[in-house]
Amino acid sequence: SQTIHQWPATLVQPVGSPLSLECTVEGTSNPNLYWYRQAAGRGLQLLFYSVGIGQISSEVPQNLSASRPQDRQFILSSKKLLLSDSGFYLCAWRKTDTGELFFGEGSRLTVL
Amino acid sequence: DQQVKQNSPSLSVQEGRISILNCDYTNSMFDYFLWYKKYPAEGPTFLISISSIKDKNEDGRFTVFLNKSAKHLSLHIVPSQPGDSAVYFCAARFYGKLTFGQGTILTVHP
Repeated sequence: SQTIHQWPATLVQPVGSPLSLECTVEGTSNPNLYWYRQAAGRGLQLLFYSVGIGQISSEVPQNLSASRPQDRQFILSSKKLLLSDSGFYLCAWRKTDTGELFFGEGSRLTVL
Repeated sequence: DQQVKQNSPSLSVQEGRISILNCDYTNSMFDYFLWYKKYPAEGPTFLISISSIKDKNEDGRFTVFLNKSAKHLSLHIVPSQPGDSAVYFCAARFYGKLTFGQGTILTVHP
């Protein structure tokens, strides 16, 4: 069966510091992977998606970047965090036939 | 431009009654619709879905209705239970990408 795991679960970082959130998927090959953010009082906003190693599409201009160094690994990064980067970040993989997304546990980022 | 909207930020229902969560969309090219349930500090979990070629899909206590002419989607939960209290997101698919609504907080009172 497929599993998705992301870490860390909680992160408190000062403004200007770097960020790295990791996500790994097991039990499926060449998955489409996604990073979403849920900001306070808002829905789920798609940040990045990847259809394969090294292939990243950005949905919104922002202070963040994503990388996919391996088939099952998706990383969300920032060189210098802003206060507005605070939120709940979710990694997901997509089931090809239905388009259904399966989400990781989420990572709560607080930028102070 | 918010292509998927959930205009009710919250809904409060008595246990045993029906919960109706609504969702409107603007893009007629969406071909698949999904509902997700989310508890605090957890990732959303898939609940139920419907293809754009259907108007109803039922799974136990959960039924999703699709009105394409009105571009409207609804989720019915009958009977509602306290464990159903969560944030519910509707989502619509276009070319493999899901667009989510803002979410509706459902509270089911015992």
